[in-house]
Amino acid sequence: GNSVTQMEGPVTLSEEAFLTINCTYTATGYPSLFWYVQYPGEGLQLLLKATKADDKGSNKGFEATYRKETTSFHLEKGSVQVSDSAVYFCALRGGSEKLVFGKGTKLTVNP
Amino acid sequence: DTEVTQTPKHLVMGMTNKKSLKCEQHMGHRAMYWYKQKAKKPPELMFVYSYEKLSINESVPSRFSPECPNSSLLNLHLHALQPEDSALYLCASSQGRGRGGGETQYFGPGTRLLVL
Repeated sequence: GNSVTQMEGPVTLSEEAFLTINCTYTATGYPSLFWYVQYPGEGLQLLLKATKADDKGSNKGFEATYRKETTSFHLEKGSVQVSDSAVYFCALRGGSEKLVFGKGTKLTVNP
Repeated sequence: DTEVTQTPKHLVMGMTNKKSLKCEQHMGHRAMYWYKQKAKKPPELMFVYSYEKLSINESVPSRFSPECPNSSLLNLHLHALQPEDSALYLCASSQGRGRGGGETQYFGPGTRLLVL
């Protein structure tokens, strides 16, 4: 079946540091890939998505590229802020209505 | 507008109570979802409604009873819950036009439920 593996962290960075959160997936066919962010005490917000190979999703300075050859969708940001502290979930959706999540990565950014 | 609203924001109930969680969206989406999220875990799918019909039930205990009165509303009726049911309950919606993989699910802020 479909699955998502992401680095579990926690990840702690200083403000303005470079961020990478690794995400790899296993899926049949051509899934769509997503990054969701969950701020403390809130629901999930869609951060970015990509629906086919080599697509790059981007939003709020975050980027991720759908790499079919390495089955990866790593999240990156060049300069993190304290306000980026949250839990980040990588997810995929194949041919059904189900969204498959990774376990989540907690990011803490210190001033 | 990609807003999904949920009420109440917080709920405390006893094991003999009956309560309901509500979810609403006005994006014209035809698929709606209930998820349960425990602390430090990803959301777990409970139910999916597609065009107001239940299409997926992930073997959820019968003390959770979903209802989709119309295309904009989704309810989750709760009865005789256990303390281990305490969690964040998230609603989501998507366009629901078919079985394509590109549809994005938009989540509400959740209802934080505590069962005493």
